[in-house]
Amino acid sequence: DAGVIQSPRHEVTEMGQEVTLRCKPISGHNSLFWYRQTMMRGLELLIYFNNNVPIDDSGMPEDRFSAKMPNASFSTLKIQPSEPRDSAVYFCASSLAYGVTNYGYTFGSGTRLTVV
Amino acid sequence: DQQVKQNSPSLSVQEGRISILNCDYTNSMFDYFLWYKKYPAEGPTFLISISSIKDKNEDGRFTVFLNKSAKHLSLHIVPSQPGDSAVYFCAASAKGGSEKLVFGKGTKLTVNP
Repeated sequence: DAGVIQSPRHEVTEMGQEVTLRCKPISGHNSLFWYRQTMMRGLELLIYFNNNVPIDDSGMPEDRFSAKMPNASFSTLKIQPSEPRDSAVYFCASSLAYGVTNYGYTFGSGTRLTVV
Repeated sequence: DQQVKQNSPSLSVQEGRISILNCDYTNSMFDYFLWYKKYPAEGPTFLISISSIKDKNEDGRFTVFLNKSAKHLSLHIVPSQPGDSAVYFCAASAKGGSEKLVFGKGTKLTVNP
């Protein structure tokens, strides 16, 4: 298995532009999570899906952020319009159960977003 | 309100010595704890976990200790190796691990040869 695949690996965009991050979870996993990592706040959970349905989006910072999971093998995180304070590393993770297994979540390599 | 706290942003140890990484939590509902390891430009990877019914779990050079009364857990690495240099995240979950993970901010471990 190729693991959780995220694209792009790096994204540099200008303030005000729309940014779309993509994630392909591990086949067979039924839960998908979007995290954001910053120095100040560490790893923050933005939103998670179970069986393609959003379960908890309380971590989404504001209306500029939206996430979709149209099918079991694909999810997007969109920021529109982007702002410099959105600069961070965004991780996608997937897991087999509704919650964690003994091995927790499997993370992708992340997308480093820079908004200038 | 940080429910999982790693108060040491960094730690430096000599190769062969013990590394001790600490983590405190405030939510008494947490009953499942994990440690993740993260190398630069990679996602976090699972390292070791412990349920609240135990106070110790060991896997090779890695041991996690849980003190429920103090709401404290620690990760011991013995002996430390240069390849252990990474950022270590503590994470917690409730309901036996079925709730979402809450992460600490991480501790950067540097093992010097």
